[in-house]
Amino acid sequence: NAGVTQTPKFRVLKTGQSMTLLCAQDMNHEYMYWYRQDPGMGLRLIHYSVGEGTTAKGEVPDGYNVSRLKKQNFLLGLESAAPSQTSVYFCASSYPGWYEGDEQYFGPGTRLTVT
Amino acid sequence: GENVEQHPSTLSVQEGDSAVIKCTYSDSASNYFPWYKQELGKRPQLIIDIRSNVGEKKDQRIAVTLNKTAKHFSLHITETQPEDSAVYFCAADPMDTGRRALTFGSGTRLQVQP
Repeated sequence: NAGVTQTPKFRVLKTGQSMTLLCAQDMNHEYMYWYRQDPGMGLRLIHYSVGEGTTAKGEVPDGYNVSRLKKQNFLLGLESAAPSQTSVYFCASSYPGWYEGDEQYFGPGTRLTVT
Repeated sequence: GENVEQHPSTLSVQEGDSAVIKCTYSDSASNYFPWYKQELGKRPQLIIDIRSNVGEKKDQRIAVTLNKTAKHFSLHITETQPEDSAVYFCAADPMDTGRRALTFGSGTRLQVQP
């Protein structure tokens, strides 16, 4: 199993450009998440999905859109990139359950720089 | 929404000493509290978690305690080793159906001096 994978690993954008980050998981997890990680601020939730075809806003959703058309994929879009979106983006997935465990499995991250 | 505060932001200990990291949370509905370890340039990985019906949990050199009344939980690492050097994040989750999202603390950089 590959676990959680992210594409691309690195990207440099100019202000105003758009891009899509792809997250894929092969663990049949119901829940998927997008976080951003900035120095000294931990991981902040952008959007998440509790199942195929569903999405919900997290703590910092402005400037981002997401889609979950297939259970195994979760896409994060930036329509008009801004320097404030320079960050490391992590995708995660989990199979929620009180008894099954609630561990979130993270992807390797995407380092995005907006100039 | 939930707010998780984590202290200290940096912690330096000598190899073999113990390390303690503390977190407080604001939402009394939170009932799942995981700890993640992130090595430099790597992804976060779960090292231990605790649920609200348990006050303490231990796994070898790592233990977590939870005080729901005071809304705080702590990570204890005993007999620290250089490979314990990393950033540690606490988190809280209300585990409500339809909203299973972690709120993370800002992290603690632990440095174990050999």
